[in-house]
Amino acid sequence: DAKTTQPPSMDCAEGRAANLPCNHSTISGNEYVYWYRQIHSQGPQYIIHGLKNNETNEMASLIITEDRKSSTLILPHATLRDTAVYYCIVNPETSGSRLTFGEGTQLTVNP
Amino acid sequence: ETGVTQSPTHLIKTRGQQVTLRCSSQSGHNTVSWYQQALGQGPQFIFQYYREEENGRGNFPPRFSGLQFPNYSSELNVNALELDDSALYLCASSRNRGSSYEQYFGPGTRLTVT
Repeated sequence: DAKTTQPPSMDCAEGRAANLPCNHSTISGNEYVYWYRQIHSQGPQYIIHGLKNNETNEMASLIITEDRKSSTLILPHATLRDTAVYYCIVNPETSGSRLTFGEGTQLTVNP
Repeated sequence: ETGVTQSPTHLIKTRGQQVTLRCSSQSGHNTVSWYQQALGQGPQFIFQYYREEENGRGNFPPRFSGLQFPNYSSELNVNALELDDSALYLCASSRNRGSSYEQYFGPGTRLTVT
């Protein structure tokens, strides 16, 4: 069963913020939200994760709704190099390294 | 660049043959996970090796097997290849079975079965 739902594709203009939504309505209390991305011809790359508070790092921001049923990954100033498939993953912290990927969102950043 | 390397980059095999794929983990990492990624799909977990022993397996048949060596590098072996085994095979390394945010993926091996 899919734990997350993401739009299959999105477009964004270079320099603008890219907001990628993820629905995880069946998330459990001990499950975190993780985001990875996969640039063409490369392996997935970790971006950010969170439990219930908003998080920010050098790559992105993660906004999780108060009921934790959805979240948004924000790339504040998208560049052409951000064109990739973005995966939203829900996992309990104890699941360790076993990641369950869905089909993700293909983000295309246009010049 | 994650420091995780995989070989070969590409290979073509015939249905029924056997294949071995290799992964060198990042320095200091003792855990390797393998994933299969079919075209247009997200990666699917095959299994994980921690300190030379299998430590968790996904929904893959026994003809998918693996090894981990004392230097923590790893092999994925697939016997009796089927056309549906055509995919990108990814390995990821981590420390001490890792966590969901501590996975460093290699670039993958593209396997084509004809």
